[in-house]
Amino acid sequence: EADIYQTPRYLVIGTGKKITLECSQTMGHDKMYWYQQDPGMELHLIHYSYGVNSTEKGDLSSESTVSRIRTEHFPLTLESARPSHTSQYLCAVSLNTEAFFGQGTRLTVV
Amino acid sequence: DQQVKQNSPSLSVQEGRISILNCDYTNSMFDYFLWYKKYPAEGPTFLISISSIKDKNEDGRFTVFLNKSAKHLSLHIVPSQPGDSAVYFCAAPRDSGYALNFGKGTSLLVTP
Repeated sequence: EADIYQTPRYLVIGTGKKITLECSQTMGHDKMYWYQQDPGMELHLIHYSYGVNSTEKGDLSSESTVSRIRTEHFPLTLESARPSHTSQYLCAVSLNTEAFFGQGTRLTVV
Repeated sequence: DQQVKQNSPSLSVQEGRISILNCDYTNSMFDYFLWYKKYPAEGPTFLISISSIKDKNEDGRFTVFLNKSAKHLSLHIVPSQPGDSAVYFCAAPRDSGYALNFGKGTSLLVTP
């Protein structure tokens, strides 16, 4: 099982600020993902990566960007936060079909 | 178009009784299904899975049943415990890669 760390756990930030949500894993798996989830809704894939220097957008249109410079690190950045970005952001890692999730970041933009 | 559907947003069960959570899917190419459990403000944790070559998989109190002809699977929890109270998500890997399609989840409440 992968150890996945997300920071911060909670973030309240003002509109227009730039933020980076951190995601790190210690198992060396190539496949990493960012999902976005709101209460009562499914998890929506917003970004994924199958290895270093590989990033793709998911199904849900997102104004965020990601990078994958190192295998263990997959940060997500919002250049200018808006209230519509308020959500829970979940980072995941998979080796095969099972995905393992971090504890998530609950983002609130005021 | 949502390919994994959980049509019951919530379920309430008494402690000790059976909880049955249902999931339907539309894509007959799905060959693997997973159930995740999620507490508020935390990430989902993997619970149990089933391959499409099986119709049942059991792990302790948790059993998943798959009916391929009906494109339906269910998660049974017996006996239910208050600590099982959480949101349960059904998921299936996409056609390409290993990202998952998720249902909207069913919120289970187990009362003492």
